[in-house]
Amino acid sequence: DAGVIQSPRHEVTEMGQEVTLRCKPISGHNSLFWYRQTMMRGLELLIYFNNNVPIDDSGMPEDRFSAKMPNASFSTLKIQPSEPRDSAVYFCASSYSAGNTIYFGEGSWLTVV
Amino acid sequence: QQQVKQSPQSLIVQKGGISIINCAYENTAFDYFPWYQQFPGKGPALLIAIRPDVSEKKEGRFTISFNKSAKQFSLHIMDSQPGDSATYFCAATLPASGSRLTFGEGTQLTVNP
Repeated sequence: DAGVIQSPRHEVTEMGQEVTLRCKPISGHNSLFWYRQTMMRGLELLIYFNNNVPIDDSGMPEDRFSAKMPNASFSTLKIQPSEPRDSAVYFCASSYSAGNTIYFGEGSWLTVV
Repeated sequence: QQQVKQSPQSLIVQKGGISIINCAYENTAFDYFPWYQQFPGKGPALLIAIRPDVSEKKEGRFTISFNKSAKQFSLHIMDSQPGDSATYFCAATLPASGSRLTFGEGTQLTVNP
């Protein structure tokens, strides 16, 4: 089992640039989550998909953030334009919607300078 | 609104001691309470979980104690080891929420040799 796969693992970008984070959930899982982790705010749920459909995006900070899930094996989180305050670790996670265990990827470490 | 409050923020324990981390929740509709363990540079991983119909669950050196009336639950790590040094998060989910987790703020545990 390969687990949740995220890319890139690390990214440094300049303010104003577009950032795209990618996620491949565990095969067979039908729920996908994007979380953001910072020292100040801890782990925050940004958006949650079930069967590729966005169910709750109330955690998305603002219009600069968007997420898509075109199929069951791929999701993206895009920030455009990026700002220094977006610097954080972004985690993708997946689960069976009927179960309770969420499996996290190793995160994408984003630094916006 | 923070729905799960966790304490302490940090904890230092000697090898062989007992580590205790506490969480309190507000929403009585929560029906699943997991604890996640996170090592530096890694994503959170499920450690142990409990449902509100039981007061205690034990897995090896890790025990969850659950007090439904007080809306509190705690993680006890017996015989703490240096390898237990990590950040621990309590969490809670609502029924039919697709495993969507609401996290506590996290506790950084250091076990000294």
